[in-house]
Amino acid sequence: GEDVEQSLFLSVREGDSSVINCTYTDSSSTYLYWYKQEPGAGLQLLTYIFSNMDMKQDQRLTVLLNKKDKHLSLRIADTQTGDSAIYFCAEKGNAGNMLTFGGGTRLMVKP
Amino acid sequence: DGGITQSPKYLFRKEGQNVTLSCEQNLNHDAMYWYRQDPGQGLRLIYYSQIVNDFQKGDIAEGYSVSREKKESFPLTVTSAQKNPTAFYLCATGKAEESWESPLHFGNGTRLTVT
Repeated sequence: GEDVEQSLFLSVREGDSSVINCTYTDSSSTYLYWYKQEPGAGLQLLTYIFSNMDMKQDQRLTVLLNKKDKHLSLRIADTQTGDSAIYFCAEKGNAGNMLTFGGGTRLMVKP
Repeated sequence: DGGITQSPKYLFRKEGQNVTLSCEQNLNHDAMYWYRQDPGQGLRLIYYSQIVNDFQKGDIAEGYSVSREKKESFPLTVTSAQKNPTAFYLCATGKAEESWESPLHFGNGTRLTVT
């Protein structure tokens, strides 16, 4: 089956930029998503990018997509303590509405 | 997400008992999903339903059952056959299959503890 991989953990200092990386195997991915999960809560959609784009910016968030390498990244500028959470990337193939999720990256922001 | 209600937030059961987790939505979404999340792990798909009165098994359906009698509701029953039921359960909804841009919307989850 398709696979989505993320590193488990990232620690940054408040005010620095955070970069969370994700790789996927499905060459027919149409959309790729970033979700944020705070403790004890569900997943909140942060942003998404269509597979024919290579960059999308939304305020402090920048998504970069390298389709050739099947590599997706999420950059959070000026990271705040409120950004501490688990971040999941997910990809949607070209068949149906199913998403395949990565294992999540726990971001810890130190004051 | 205010449009998806999962209840209860915390649930405790004794081993050997069946338990049903509720998921209700008012987003008018056709598709509904159940995921399981274990500590330090990603989401694993249990069951999903694209339309009323129809549902399909996901990757880890064994020991679980669902029903989809109404568009708004997709309850998940964790049966005594599920060997390791303690986990965080997330319900999600989405638009119909042809809506390629549609992301999934998630409820706030139910934490089930079985002792």
